[in-house]
Amino acid sequence: DSGVTQTPKHLITATGQRVTLRCSPRSGDLSVYWYQQSLDQGLQFLIQYYNGEERAKGNILERFSAQQFPDLHSELNLSSLELGDSALYFCASSATSGSMNEQFFGPGTRLTVL
Amino acid sequence: LAKTTQPISMDSYEGQEVNITCSHNNIATNDYITWYQQFPSQGPRFIIQGYKTKVTNEVASLFIPADRKSSTLSLPRVSLSDTAVYYCLVGDRDDKIIFGKGTRLHILP
Repeated sequence: DSGVTQTPKHLITATGQRVTLRCSPRSGDLSVYWYQQSLDQGLQFLIQYYNGEERAKGNILERFSAQQFPDLHSELNLSSLELGDSALYFCASSATSGSMNEQFFGPGTRLTVL
Repeated sequence: LAKTTQPISMDSYEGQEVNITCSHNNIATNDYITWYQQFPSQGPRFIIQGYKTKVTNEVASLFIPADRKSSTLSLPRVSLSDTAVYYCLVGDRDDKIIFGKGTRLHILP
């Protein structure tokens, strides 16, 4: 158990819909990272927040947005969903802002868009 | 961010030592080398990180030659449960992290 929690575990929705994925980092960790993993694209970095502020951006689509709240939990919002958004979404946390420092990954949310 | 190249897949047998090599010819002075392990449908797990020479922990060893243009992750006496994808990452502390496709290690009985 990494100490990072993600909800929900599974999510099934339809194209065009909007969903919110939630992540609680390990106690004391200030950085939260979001990743998308699909079969054909591998593990893709989406975005990082550090202590409430956006720190780094990866291959995040404009239809996707995220935020980190004062209690340090984070939410990833996915809107106008397409079939290709079906994937495993992982959240990770680390103690500091440096992404090459050890990251602790959550169990993931499996999103299925029908 | 240094580009890494590692084998797409490897097979080995239980009880053997497994060495996975990663090439990173354009590694920069401030870059560290980090390895993660990922089991199917689980998030990656940090294994080891190093800068030069050799680093060892309870799980693996990381060998880095003097020119740092490659590194080798060594897993001693593997078991079936070591079947996973292993990712080599290279960057400095503040770089965006890029996982790539990793090496699929398959341990046979």
